[in-house]
Amino acid sequence: DGGITQSPKYLFRKEGQNVTLSCEQNLNHDAMYWYRQDPGQGLRLIYYSQIVNDFQKGDIAEGYSVSREKKESFPLTVTSAQKNPTAFYLCASSIKGAPEAFFGQGTRLTVV
Amino acid sequence: QKEVEQNSGPLSVPEGAIASLNCTYSDRGSQSFFWYRQYSGKSPELIMFIYSNGDKEDGRFTAQLNKASQYVSLLIRDSQPSDSATYLCAVKSSNYQLIWGAGTKLIIKP
Repeated sequence: DGGITQSPKYLFRKEGQNVTLSCEQNLNHDAMYWYRQDPGQGLRLIYYSQIVNDFQKGDIAEGYSVSREKKESFPLTVTSAQKNPTAFYLCASSIKGAPEAFFGQGTRLTVV
Repeated sequence: QKEVEQNSGPLSVPEGAIASLNCTYSDRGSQSFFWYRQYSGKSPELIMFIYSNGDKEDGRFTAQLNKASQYVSLLIRDSQPSDSATYLCAVKSSNYQLIWGAGTKLIIKP
């Protein structure tokens, strides 16, 4: 089955730790995106990538980093510089220029 | 600052009635408009998109767009309890970024 796989589904981070969220897609989509969702708020764009080895900052990139070494993979690292990382993180992909039609199941990150 | 506004709700509708969800946007240059449904704890799923003024129907769903008034709406006919979810409006702005509303929580009462 084609789709987007995010892992893990739940993640707990201690203060000061970096953690990496995985996002893999087998839809052959060029574009991939990372969003953060907080309760009662819309999705906010963290980073996006339209092509391998290239990515752009979104509205709230501070404290996050990404890489796009393969078309299928777009991991997100939440660094210790992100002071309020507890949120629901969503990865999405689309054909370049199309709306972000496909989302992964999300990763819920909690700082403990 | 480009914005998309939705009433957070909850909007409570009896089963079988029409649910009407509304969204306004600030960027007059926006060209593409999307409705996503999000069940609690799950990821959003695209249910409708519309590009032109007027109505677009897909089964029980109708999207309506009025660019002059800068609003887009979603009508759900014959509402079912399974339609209970948060509905997110998203607008592709003139710089091709997708701007999201905070969502309207819809509750269908049996």
